[in-house]
Amino acid sequence: NAGVTQTPKFRVLKTGQSMTLLCAQDMNHEYMYWYRQDPGMGLRLIHYSVGEGTTAKGEVPDGYNVSRLKKQNFLLGLESAAPSQTSVYFCASKEVLEGYGYTFGSGTRLTVV
Amino acid sequence: DAKTTQPPSMDCAEGRAANLPCNHSTISGNEYVYWYRQIHSQGPQYIIHGLKNNETNEMASLIITEDRKSSTLILPHATLRDTAVYYCIVSGSSNTGKLIFGQGTTLQVKP
Repeated sequence: NAGVTQTPKFRVLKTGQSMTLLCAQDMNHEYMYWYRQDPGMGLRLIHYSVGEGTTAKGEVPDGYNVSRLKKQNFLLGLESAAPSQTSVYFCASKEVLEGYGYTFGSGTRLTVV
Repeated sequence: DAKTTQPPSMDCAEGRAANLPCNHSTISGNEYVYWYRQIHSQGPQYIIHGLKNNETNEMASLIITEDRKSSTLILPHATLRDTAVYYCIVSGSSNTGKLIFGQGTTLQVKP
């Protein structure tokens, strides 16, 4: 099925460990986004990409890095995880043209202990 | 991108129309109004969008005032499965497609 796939779905990290979250889309979308959602809160934009090889900072970029080496993949990295990064992470992709909606993945639930 | 204001919560009786308001008084001429919803802890789901005219699809209708400073999402016959957080977002001025989510409106559909 066409859509956005996030891996892994769940992960528990120890403080200081590193990990990479993978987002893959098969809709040939140019734009991709990483959001985080803390309990009872709305989504906050971490980083985004407007095309292969490009990345840009969102609202809450500190502590995260991203890469978009291939158009269909957008990776989110945590170099040294902190308990404050415990959250649900959502990836989304979108057509370039305005007036088209996002397609979201099902989320990655990350706990940092 | 323009900021939006939504009531934090609303109730609706099952089978009745749910009307969710949104204020976006600083919207600019090329910005769209988008509506998304998030059921429990799932990824947000796109519902509908509009620029100037009213829009309708299989899920909902979007009514945008003539001055474009506010809009209303209408779910014509709400069901229990429509219980969710509904986000109204204005976007389109930055050519990046990015959406800045607010707190949204928690809609509780009651039997």
